[in-house]
Amino acid sequence: GIQVEQSPPDLILQEGANSTLRCNFSDSVNNLQWFHQNPWGQLINLFYIPSGTKQNGRLSATTVATERYSLLYISSSQTTDSGVYFCAVVYGNKLVFGAGTILRVKS
Amino acid sequence: DAGVTQSPTHLIKTRGQHVTLRCSPISGHKSVSWYQQVLGQGPQFIFQYYEKEERGRGNFPDRFSARQFPNYSSELNVNALLLGDSALYLCASSSLDPGGEQYFGPGTRLTVT
Repeated sequence: GIQVEQSPPDLILQEGANSTLRCNFSDSVNNLQWFHQNPWGQLINLFYIPSGTKQNGRLSATTVATERYSLLYISSSQTTDSGVYFCAVVYGNKLVFGAGTILRVKS
Repeated sequence: DAGVTQSPTHLIKTRGQHVTLRCSPISGHKSVSWYQQVLGQGPQFIFQYYEKEERGRGNFPDRFSARQFPNYSSELNVNALLLGDSALYLCASSSLDPGGEQYFGPGTRLTVT
């Protein structure tokens, strides 16, 4: 089956810093989603992005489907950005998740 | 509009018992999927249903079963519970089959003792 790898596994930032999270996948996919999981377990949709670049406030995402990777950019990080970020690829009729990046933003 | 809802939020069961988890999709969504998330890992696909038909099944034992009702809500049943079934169970709904953007509910946290 398809493999989804996220890096880095852990990231600690000072408030106000910028960061880039990466997602690599091993096969062609129909689409890709980025999620933020809050401490209570809720998965919050960030981006639904098969290719190209999208922006939403301080967050933006870029997917290069031909090279099988996606990037999530977080600018001017805030403590509320802390949590786990998941990349998930749409593979057939299911989402295949990476292992996530744990982000900690310190004030 | 209400998002995906799940019940119960927390559940404690004993080994060998069975459990039923429930999910109501976003209004108008006909696809419901179930995922299991154990601590420290990403969610793993269990089932997908669309228009009351099973469209996909992940690598889970036959103790796991699900169904979708005419109103598109869904149940996940797990029989003969094992300690390893302790996890967060997530339900997602989508308007498309396959491949539509999926929206997740808050999850049911199951603890098996």
